[in-house]
Amino acid sequence: AQTVTQSQPEMSVQEAETVTLSCTYDTSENNYYLFWYKQPPSRQMILVIRQEAYKQQNATENRFSVNFQKAAKSFSLKISDSQLGDTAMYFCAFMKPEGNTGKLIFGQGTTLQVKP
Amino acid sequence: DAMVIQNPRYQVTQFGKPVTLSCSQTLNHNVMYWYQQKSSQAPKLLFHYYDKDFNNEADTPDNFQSRRPNTSFCFLDIRSPGLGDAAMYLCATSTGPTYEQYFGPGTRLTVT
Repeated sequence: AQTVTQSQPEMSVQEAETVTLSCTYDTSENNYYLFWYKQPPSRQMILVIRQEAYKQQNATENRFSVNFQKAAKSFSLKISDSQLGDTAMYFCAFMKPEGNTGKLIFGQGTTLQVKP
Repeated sequence: DAMVIQNPRYQVTQFGKPVTLSCSQTLNHNVMYWYQQKSSQAPKLLFHYYDKDFNNEADTPDNFQSRRPNTSFCFLDIRSPGLGDAAMYLCATSTGPTYEQYFGPGTRLTVT
């Protein structure tokens, strides 16, 4: 069975600085997807970034980028130029595709506080 | 805008009184998911539909049922809610090939 571990329950960062959230996972699969989801307080969960395991290039979405180390089974999220609106709980998630569906297996989450 | 809608946003029910939570989508996605999320925890998948094919997670209690009458709507029925069922219930949709899941705002269920 796949597992996802986020070892940092809480983190804080000053506005405009850079922060990295850690995530490791365990799987014997070769074809899978990794995601970072953001859940702001009392608001819905949204996708931040997605990485396909077969792609060596790290995914980037504006201020968000990942460091995907497949051999080490590590998938960290870097947030550059942190903004107050980045305050949220961040979940790392693993998915093994099963046809047109796939079950997300979430880590425990990291609560990020961006301070002014 | 295309979206996932959940009603109601807040639901209070009594111990043992059946309750139904609703999810609708305008994305026309063929997969719909129900998750349970307890306070400050990760969402836990209860079941999902691929079109009309129902897939139950092995550890989902029998107390939880679901219906999907058409592509747009999906319902979560809790037949006899217990205090331990108090949680946020999230609906999500997806379609291939990106496997991205789009979440609704959730329904917070309180059991008294």
